[in-house]
Parts: sequence; structure tokens; C-alpha cells
Amino acid sequence: QKEVEQNSGPLSVPEGAIASLNCTYSDRVSQSFFWYRQYSGKSPELIMSIYSNGDKEDGRFTAQLNKASQYVSLLIRDSQPSDSATYLCAAPQGGSEKLVFGKGTKLTVNP
Amino acid sequence: NAGVTQTPKFQVLKTGQSMTLQCAQDMNHNSMYWYRQDPGMGLRLIYYSASEGTTDKGEVPNGYNVSRLNKREFSLRLESAAPSQTSVYFCASSGRIAGGFNEQYFGPGTRLTVT
Repeated sequence: QKEVEQNSGPLSVPEGAIASLNCTYSDRVSQSFFWYRQYSGKSPELIMSIYSNGDKEDGRFTAQLNKASQYVSLLIRDSQPSDSATYLCAAPQGGSEKLVFGKGTKLTVNP
Repeated sequence: NAGVTQTPKFQVLKTGQSMTLQCAQDMNHNSMYWYRQDPGMGLRLIYYSASEGTTDKGEVPNGYNVSRLNKREFSLRLESAAPSQTSVYFCASSGRIAGGFNEQYFGPGTRLTVT
């Protein structure tokens, strides 16, 4: 079973700060990576996909991928209390469509 | 466009009872998935279907059966429910986007309690 590891957290940041979430994966074949946000009692929501080395920005969110280090991160700039959620990292299992999920990092943004 | 829908939202079963969880998607996706999510265990794949008429076991298939009824619908059946199957169940679907990669989208979930 290929693995995806995340900081266990929880992570707490003040409102307006940058939140940094990290993920490492063991399968060198993986070419695509995904960040999901899950509010308490809700389903996972896809917020970022990244397929190539470097940075991908979408509003306040930036995903960073380093395939050589097998490392993917999510930065949330100007964090808001509404960003408080659990963030899940996921990567495909081998060359398949099946995803392996990390156990998630719980983020709390304090007003 | 409803995306991925699941029924029921909540269910309480007694040990030994059976039930079917229903899932449907309107995104014309080929692949569909059933996951369970338990505290401390994360999301674990139960079964998946790459296309109509095909199904494959995931990480935790024991005690479950699935049916891919057509391209839209993928059901999960518990034949004889056990307390260990108390969990939140999510259905997901995925389709290829530009570049050949798949993105998965989740339904709202079913909270199942087995007493």
C-alpha cells in the first residue's frame, strides 16, 4: 500500500497569517496531487489539483509540488476563520485512478 | 447539476440487518467509488468501479457488496450489518480532465450507526 503522510496537527494560526500544510508521498509514479478541504460533518471538497513541479496559485491558496523530494504543500495566505477545517492530501495509487488519502491536518484559524 | 448525490443521509441499523446505500452522479463520469471514514483512520476505499459493469475491491471490502447499475448509479450493500461498520460512507466519482488526469468529487455522505 502506497502511503501519503501529513502533519498530524492540529495547526492553529491567527487570522491574517499564512497557514502551511505539508504532505509527503511514497509512490514515485504519482503524477497528480490533490488537496481537499473537509468541514466538520461535511464531505471532502476538492480545492486544489497540481500536476507539475513548482507552484500553482488559486486566490489565497498556493500548492507547491517537488517531485524529487516527493513533497507537496498547501499555503493559505491571509487565513480566515472560515478556513478552519481538516485538509486532506491525496495522490493516485500507482498509475490507477484510485486515490490514497492522508489522514488530514486539522487547521484552526483564530480571530 | 447536482453532482454526486447519496441516500439516505442517516441510518440506524440493528446488528444483522441489511441495507443498500444509493449513489448517483450527473457529471457523466466513468469511475465511481465508495469510501468509509472513521476517526483516526482517514478515508479508506471500500470498492470502486472504473466503468459500467466493472467493480474492484479496495482496501476494506469485507462485509460489503456493490453494484454498478448503469453509468450514473453505484450502490453499496451491507448484507448483515455489524457494529464495526458504524461509519460515515462517502460516494465519489471521477472523470478525466485536460492533461489526462482524474479529479474526484464527493457526495454528501451517509452516517450509519449499527447497534
